[in-house]
Amino acid sequence: NAGVTQTPKFRILKIGQSMTLQCTQDMNHNYMYWYRQDPGMGLKLIYYSVGAGITDKGEVPNGYNVSRSTTEDFPLRLELAAPSQTSVYFCATAQARTVQETQYFGPGTRLLVL
Amino acid sequence: GDSVTQMEGPVTLSEEAFLTINCTYTATGYPSLFWYVQYPGEGLQLLLKATKADDKGSNKGFEATYRKETTSFHLEKGSVQVSDSAVYFCALNSEEYGNKLVFGAGTILRVKS
Repeated sequence: NAGVTQTPKFRILKIGQSMTLQCTQDMNHNYMYWYRQDPGMGLKLIYYSVGAGITDKGEVPNGYNVSRSTTEDFPLRLELAAPSQTSVYFCATAQARTVQETQYFGPGTRLLVL
Repeated sequence: GDSVTQMEGPVTLSEEAFLTINCTYTATGYPSLFWYVQYPGEGLQLLLKATKADDKGSNKGFEATYRKETTSFHLEKGSVQVSDSAVYFCALNSEEYGNKLVFGAGTILRVKS
């Protein structure tokens, strides 16, 4: 099992460009999350999904969009990249919605917007 | 809202020294508490967790006890190794936003041989 995979590992964007960060999991988990990690800060939740076809905003959703057409995939879309979106992005999954659940993280995508 | 506060780093120790990283939390309800570790260039990995008061989580020589009375979940290890050098995050499950994790800012640990 690959677990949670993310592509690309690193990307440089120009201001105003768009891109999609890919996240795929093979653990058959219902819950998926996108977090961003800024230097010296903990992770902040961007969007989450409780199952295929269902997505919802997290704490910092502005400038991002998501979709969840399958259980396995949860892509994150940046439509008009801005320098404030320079960050490391992590995708995570969890099996079910209880407070005891462990979240499993992908290796991250480092994004630089210039 | 829910929050996690952990001690600032970096923490620099010699090999075989004792490690403590403090973590306190504010939460409504009864969250589970977690320590995640991030090695250089990698994603976050679960190190240990505790799901109710007085539970002790342990893994790879690390331990942390869920203290409801002091709202704390301090991470300890009796003898650190160079390979323990990483960033350590304390976190709790919030009932908001689909059971999201609320993270502390992270503590950098550097272990010297």
